[in-house]
Amino acid sequence: GQQLNQSPQSMFIQEGEDVSMNCTSSSIFNTWLWYKQDPGEGPVLLIALYKAGELTSNGRLTAQFGITRKDSFLNISASIPSDVGIYFCAGPATGANSKLTFGKGITLSVRP
Amino acid sequence: DVKVTQSSRYLVKRTGEKVFLECVQDMDHENMFWYRQDPGLGLRLIYFSYDVKMKEKGDIPEGYSVSREKKERFSLILESASTNQTSMYLCASSLATANGYTFGSGTRLTVV
Repeated sequence: GQQLNQSPQSMFIQEGEDVSMNCTSSSIFNTWLWYKQDPGEGPVLLIALYKAGELTSNGRLTAQFGITRKDSFLNISASIPSDVGIYFCAGPATGANSKLTFGKGITLSVRP
Repeated sequence: DVKVTQSSRYLVKRTGEKVFLECVQDMDHENMFWYRQDPGLGLRLIYFSYDVKMKEKGDIPEGYSVSREKKERFSLILESASTNQTSMYLCASSLATANGYTFGSGTRLTVV
């Protein structure tokens, strides 16, 4: 089946730094979604991308839909302690009644 | 605001017990999902439902069953809880996959 790859599993940055994470697939996706999960909570949708090349921002977060449709990028600028959490990418699997395929997520730690 | 409510944040159950995890959404969504989340394994789909009284197996249905008697409620049942079912359980609902899922806050289940 379709898979979304996120690596590394964990990232450690200093408060104030920018961080970039990507999500790749061997299959084409027509929608890319980025979620954040705060510790002890459920994932929350941050950004949705629907068009190849699209660049969308949500505050300090910017995400891009890759031109090849096989990847997407999420950038966080000027990180703050509350940015800690798990960041998941997701996209609709192919087929009728398609479900979302999720990457395994990247755990971000921010050192004050 | 759209809401998915999971009845318990934390549960401790004994091996062999029958366990019910309840999820209610107030958005009139047709699609509902149950995932479990374990470190390093990401989100794994247990069961999902596209309509009342309808259910489909996800990737790891063994040891679980579900019930969807009403549109707003999707219950996950552990027929005979085992220690390897200790996990974080997340319920989600959606109107259309491309718009993403709305997740509940999760239930952290410990089976002793």
